[in-house]
Amino acid sequence: EEQLVESGGGLVQPGGSLRLSCAASGFIFNAYTMNWVRQAPGKGLEWISFIQVSSHTIYYADSVKGRFTISRDDAKNSLYLQMNNLRAEDTAVYYCARDHRYAIDIWGQGTMVTVSS
Amino acid sequence: ETVLTQSPGTLSLSPGERATLSCRASQSVSSTYLAWFQQKPGQAPRLLIFGASTRATGIPDRFSGSGSGTDFTLTISRLEPEDFAVYYCQQFGGSPLWTFGQGTKVEVK
Repeated sequence: EEQLVESGGGLVQPGGSLRLSCAASGFIFNAYTMNWVRQAPGKGLEWISFIQVSSHTIYYADSVKGRFTISRDDAKNSLYLQMNNLRAEDTAVYYCARDHRYAIDIWGQGTMVTVSS
Repeated sequence: ETVLTQSPGTLSLSPGERATLSCRASQSVSSTYLAWFQQKPGQAPRLLIFGASTRATGIPDRFSGSGSGTDFTLTISRLEPEDFAVYYCQQFGGSPLWTFGQGTKVEVK
């Protein structure tokens, strides 16, 4: 079964840092572009970052540029999101998501990040 | 930035009825880059349609997608109890790389 499992969420103070991880299984991880998408409580979906195969190309949404860093370790079938200088508005469920044919076809179950003092 | 506007915000229907959901883009979108998702409370989104009209694996044929340019539609031919959920359209390309509509909630009348 193709699966993505996120971890690393939690409660952090404003200005703090957190690193999210996503473990992939059931498919050839290094063949796929990956993304992070988030959803604030009661709100819609917001794409925040993209990483191409072999990390050739990386993109960020303006809302996180300069604060968040996406990376991947193909040997470990893992995707990461380093989040620094966190703000209250970063509070959301963070989803790891696989890109296939210009659509996100596999989503993880999500990990909650709460930024609050 | 391509903005996707979904309508209506909420659709109140009964099981067995037909649901028609609209997604309008602020500028032309290639059909290749338009997708639809379903999301139920507490769950991750699920891909329904990609390429504007191709059903994803395992999606029942009561779901269909159509449209081109700036106007796209998701149709559920006959609502089943499990279809009551929030639906999002999504487009790829430009900046930001992906954008989502604000969602349409299909609720039981």
